[in-house]
Amino acid sequence: DAGITQSPRYKITETGRQVTLMCHQTWSHSYMFWYRQDLGHGLRLIYYSAAADITDKGEVPDGYVVSRSKTENFPLTLESATRSQTSVYFCASSESAYQETQYFGPGTRLLVL
Amino acid sequence: RKEVEQDPGPFNVPEGATVAFNCTYSNSASQSFFWYRQDCRKEPKLLMSVYSSGNEDGRFTAQLNRASQYISLLIRDSKLSDSATYLCVVNKNNFNKFYFGSGTKLNVKP
Repeated sequence: DAGITQSPRYKITETGRQVTLMCHQTWSHSYMFWYRQDLGHGLRLIYYSAAADITDKGEVPDGYVVSRSKTENFPLTLESATRSQTSVYFCASSESAYQETQYFGPGTRLLVL
Repeated sequence: RKEVEQDPGPFNVPEGATVAFNCTYSNSASQSFFWYRQDCRKEPKLLMSVYSSGNEDGRFTAQLNRASQYISLLIRDSKLSDSATYLCVVNKNNFNKFYFGSGTKLNVKP
């Protein structure tokens, strides 16, 4: 039971480069989420998706792009990485509506130099 | 003002102690409430949902106070393995938008 996986687990990149973080879940959950976690801020929602081809902005979407062509995948792209995007990124999924438990992936640690 | 606020701690307690955390939320329309646990450098995992009537799971008790807009988590008979950061999570109605507190760190000492 693979659950929810993220890749890469660690990434170092340079300012201005495009970076894509991958998220894959095996449960066929409808909802998927991307969060970033920074000291002092807790987890902040970047984007979420209610189903394939349906995505919407969260609290901090600027500088990020998402897509969801298949239910199981929800990649997050940093179009032109900035140092302020250095963070730990967590992908999560849930089965249905807002009362459902969210299941998190192991996270991707991104450093932008 | 943050949607969800928590005391960052750390709370340093001996094994066997009882410890309680509170979390306040700003939006009175919030509908769903949770406590998640996060170990160092790991992903958050659901500890328990918080229901209006309160709920208990073994040594853990969660309470919701809508009038004062806070939720609480009580841990009885603390174990070393309870050492972690506890995240308070609130969901606003209608949208799949979960708001996480910054977490309260608990250290249980032998």
